[in-house]
Amino acid sequence: QQQVKQSPQSLIVQKGGISIINCAYENTAFDYFPWYQQFPGKGPALLIAIRPDVSEKKEGRFTISFNKSAKQFSLHIMDSQPGDSATYFCAASLSGSARQLTFGSGTQLTVLP
Amino acid sequence: NAGVTQTPKFRVLKTGQSMTLLCAQDMNHEYMYWYRQDPGMGLRLIHYSVGEGTTAKGEVPDGYNVSRLKKQNFLLGLESAAPSQTSVYFCASSLTGTGDYEQYFGPGTRLTVT
Repeated sequence: QQQVKQSPQSLIVQKGGISIINCAYENTAFDYFPWYQQFPGKGPALLIAIRPDVSEKKEGRFTISFNKSAKQFSLHIMDSQPGDSATYFCAASLSGSARQLTFGSGTQLTVLP
Repeated sequence: NAGVTQTPKFRVLKTGQSMTLLCAQDMNHEYMYWYRQDPGMGLRLIHYSVGEGTTAKGEVPDGYNVSRLKKQNFLLGLESAAPSQTSVYFCASSLTGTGDYEQYFGPGTRLTVT
C-alpha cells in the first residue's frame, strides 16, 4: 500500500523557471514531512522538511507548501538552475516509530540551460 | 568524518548465493536503517535498529536479516539471493528517532542477482 503518492514522475523546466512537485498522503498520523534530493550515483540528502502545524516553510529557493485538510504537500523550486537537476523524493514519518520514512516514488527533474 | 559508508559498492550474485552488506557510521548515531531503491517505487525500509543489539522489521523485510553488534555498524544479509532482490541498497543513520533528526544516507550498494 503506497501511503505517499508523488507526481509528476518526471519534470522538465527551463532555467529560471519554477519547478513544482506534489505529494499526497493517506495516514493523518504522519507528523513530519521531509523532501530529499538525490543526484545520480549518490544517496539521498535532506533538502527541507516541515511539520503539519505550519502551512509553508522556505529555505532559499526551496519552499514547502502544506495543506493539512487536503493531506497534500508540495515542493516549489524558484529560479530553477541546471544544478538542481536531480531526483526529488517526498517522505512522511510518524513520531514514536523510530522515524521510519515512507517515501514517494520520486520525481526526476531536468532543468534546461 | 566519513559519515555513512557502505561496502561493497557493486556486487553480482547468482541465485541462491549469500552475501552481507556492511554499513558503518562515524557520527555516534543511535538509529540505523536499511532501504532498498527500485525504479518507480522510491525507497522502502527493510530493517532498522534503534541501538546496539536491537533490530526491527520495516516494510519489506522478507529474505533479509540484519545485525547490529556494534553501535557504528549495521549489517544486511541475504541468505539465498533471488532475482527480485536486484536493487540499490542504501543505509542511513540518525542521532535518534525522535524529534526532527535528519537521516544521513550512504552512497549505496548496487546488487544484481542473476
